[in-house]
Amino acid sequence: DQQVKQNSPSLSVQEGRISILNCDYTNSMFDYFLWYKKYPAEGPTFLISISSIKDKNEDGRFTVFLNKSAKHLSLHIVPSQPGDSAVYFCAANAGNMLTFGGGTRLMVKP
Amino acid sequence: NAGVMQNPRHLVRRRGQEARLRCSPMKGHSHVYWYRQLPEEGLKFMVYLQKENIIDESGMPKERFSAEFPKEGPSILRIQQVVRGDSAAYFCASSRGRGATNEKLFFGSGTQLSVL
Repeated sequence: DQQVKQNSPSLSVQEGRISILNCDYTNSMFDYFLWYKKYPAEGPTFLISISSIKDKNEDGRFTVFLNKSAKHLSLHIVPSQPGDSAVYFCAANAGNMLTFGGGTRLMVKP
Repeated sequence: NAGVMQNPRHLVRRRGQEARLRCSPMKGHSHVYWYRQLPEEGLKFMVYLQKENIIDESGMPKERFSAEFPKEGPSILRIQQVVRGDSAAYFCASSRGRGATNEKLFFGSGTQLSVL
């Protein structure tokens, strides 16, 4: 039973354009959502987060949107850069653990 | 300012052998989490430990898997009598405080376990 889903396994975007990564969840007990970025042979690194009481959080080129009624969150990267090419995981928190989605591989073409 | 250190980076075991994975948390962090990533899947929570205590092991398989975080030394994830299905990347994360809501987890680079 996947409580956090990232339905797009991959996304290709041109440099300078917007990247939009999507994530859906089913558990209404999740109270905090995070995005992690992962390069090959490295561990995930924290990117940005949002509390369930907010609908938007922005940090530089990265913005996370949360739609609680739709149980949907998205990560916007603008403008996209080649160095953003990585696998992006959304994660949701309830209690002691993070539940991760399956990841979306983003490729930003120069 | 070392981050979360995991070793070994790669571990090869034959079926039936034991695998021991080590994790040293970031300096000042007393909370350790273990996650497993199977090929083409996301990270799955296994266990959450504080020094000398297992706080939540709801993601740990009931048999063959155990974890500890002693007062001194690294956290150890131990897999006895490994099977091919145990082949995965095992990630350790640490935090200063409890849970992931207010504290961001810092992940190590992982141990890639391959069972022949």
